[in-house]
Amino acid sequence: GENVEQHPSTLSVQEGDSAVIKCTYSDSASNYFPWYKQELGKRPQLIIDIRSNVGEKKDQRIAVTLNKTAKHFSLHITETQPEDSAVYFCAASKAGGSYIPTFGRGTSLIVHP
Amino acid sequence: DAGITQSPRYKITETGRQVTLMCHQTWSHSYMFWYRQDLGHGLRLIYYSAAADITDKGEVPDGYVVSRSKTENFPLTLESATRSQTSVYFCASSTNSGKGEQFFGPGTRLTVL
Repeated sequence: GENVEQHPSTLSVQEGDSAVIKCTYSDSASNYFPWYKQELGKRPQLIIDIRSNVGEKKDQRIAVTLNKTAKHFSLHITETQPEDSAVYFCAASKAGGSYIPTFGRGTSLIVHP
Repeated sequence: DAGITQSPRYKITETGRQVTLMCHQTWSHSYMFWYRQDLGHGLRLIYYSAAADITDKGEVPDGYVVSRSKTENFPLTLESATRSQTSVYFCASSTNSGKGEQFFGPGTRLTVL
């Protein structure tokens, strides 16, 4: 089955810096890659996603890039703010059936004011 | 999101007892999922359901039972609770459109003494 590795497990940055979280996947058939943000004590919520026919997608301060050849994708957050502090999960899934995602283990992002 | 709810939000039980966690969604989403979240392990899929009366195992199904007699409900039962099942449990749902986004419930924190 699919295996998703996520790094780093913890990331500490100063407010205003950029943050990058990287994920690799094993199944070349995977074609949907969402990112979820989970604030402390809250539920995970989708913040951005990308499909395999696109190399990059942006939404204000966040962007996701996908390298299908290398089977890795990354989340980029620019101009980080304290409210960006949370756990971020990447996931990979594929068409056919139920789009069941395999999640990475999460990255705890801490933004210091 | 008000569309997917879980009950109870907190539960303390003893080893060997049967516990049922409830999940209800109002969107008529086809797919529903149960995850457990433990520190260092991220989100691990227990069971999922593609439609009423259709369920399938995920990554960590042992010790759990699910049913789905109605589209909107997806209860998770721990038949004989063990301490290793102490965790936060998230229910999620998604559409059958193939987009892939999952909508998570608020979670149930279960403690098995």
